[in-house]
Amino acid sequence: GNSVTQMEGPVTLSEEAFLTINCTYTATGYPSLFWYVQYPGEGLQLLLKATKADDKGSNKGFEATYRKETTSFHLEKGSVQVSDSAVYFCALSDRHSGAGSYQLTFGKGTKLSVIP
Amino acid sequence: GAGVSQSPSNKVTEKGKDVELRCDPISGHTALYWYRQSLGQGLEFLIYFQGNSAPDKSGLPSDRFSAERTGGSVSTLTIQRTQQEDSAVYLCASSFSIELYEQFFGPGTRLTVL
Repeated sequence: GNSVTQMEGPVTLSEEAFLTINCTYTATGYPSLFWYVQYPGEGLQLLLKATKADDKGSNKGFEATYRKETTSFHLEKGSVQVSDSAVYFCALSDRHSGAGSYQLTFGKGTKLSVIP
Repeated sequence: GAGVSQSPSNKVTEKGKDVELRCDPISGHTALYWYRQSLGQGLEFLIYFQGNSAPDKSGLPSDRFSAERTGGSVSTLTIQRTQQEDSAVYLCASSFSIELYEQFFGPGTRLTVL
């Protein structure tokens, strides 16, 4: 079956530090990959996505590259801000999972805290 | 425009009672998903609707859980004879179609079973 493994947190960084959150996946088909973010007290929001190998998703200074050879989709940001403090979820959607429903399979989430 | 809405935002119930959770998807979105977010299990898929039909119920944890969708819009998730392990945040998401990948999530319903 499909699964997503992401680095466990919590992660605490100083403002302007470099961020990497590792994510690897297992899928039976050719998944699309996503990073979702959950800010304190808010719902899940799509941060970025990549739908095929070697695609790079980017948004708000965050980037992740779909690496099929290493089955990875690591999230990076060059300079984090206090406002980036949130929980980040790596996820995949595979049309071969569950009657082609494109359901999302999520990692456990990584809590990021950025301190001034 | 309006996003996905869910009600109630919080629900506290006693063990053994039935509960209904409601989801209003974004207008025009044909695909609707229910997920559950709990401390021990993370985010888990429960059920998926395409229009009013549910071709994928594989994530429902037991026969106490059921869901329906009417008019291709509002969906209700019903949990019968609630147990303490049902305590979680129940999230609803919708997308324009199953082929378009972005799922838009609602704020969730926090269910607490005493």
